[in-house]
Amino acid sequence: AQSVTQLGSHVSVSEGALVLLRCNYSSSVPPYLFWYVQYPNQGLQLLLKYTSAATLVKGINGFEAEFKKSETSFHLTKPSAHMSDAAEYFCAVKGGEGAQKLVFGQGTRLTINP
Amino acid sequence: ETGVTQSPTHLIKTRGQQVTLRCSSQSGHNTVSWYQQALGQGPQFIFQYYREEENGRGNFPPRFSGLQFPNYSSELNVNALELDDSALYLCASSLGQGGSYEQYFGPGTRLTVT
Repeated sequence: AQSVTQLGSHVSVSEGALVLLRCNYSSSVPPYLFWYVQYPNQGLQLLLKYTSAATLVKGINGFEAEFKKSETSFHLTKPSAHMSDAAEYFCAVKGGEGAQKLVFGQGTRLTINP
Repeated sequence: ETGVTQSPTHLIKTRGQQVTLRCSSQSGHNTVSWYQQALGQGPQFIFQYYREEENGRGNFPPRFSGLQFPNYSSELNVNALELDDSALYLCASSLGQGGSYEQYFGPGTRLTVT
């Protein structure tokens, strides 16, 4: 079964520092992978997606993620953190061949220190 | 382009009651998925509707039921509410069956069961 594991439930960085949020996946088929962001009391917003094209995926708000099949990873990065990046981030994988559902990780709360 | 909308925003119900949540999909999308997000957790897939038919179901009991209408809007019904049903309920729309599988989420309905 498809699954994702997000390493670190809480990450704290200084404003201007590198953001690195970790995601490892398990999939029996070539995966479709996604990163979503959730601001307080809001729904989820799609940051970026990997659908078997380029392994380095660029998303909105300066975020990018690299698909590494050998490491079964899809880590999210941003070179320079802004205060507005403080939110909950979720990694998700499409739930198997023929299934349209998304399987989410537990989430990583990102805090930005001034 | 109109995004995904959900109603109501908040709802308070008593254990044993029934509740109906509503979702309007994004323009052009024919698939609606429902997720339950408990506090501090990632979203969990409840079920999906594609062209008015259920197209997959997660590990939720039958008292969670749904409906999709010809205009692709959807309802989630929960009978015999339990305290553990307290959560944020998220609706997501997508272009199913051949799309790139990304799902676009609404702002959610916060359900509190007392």
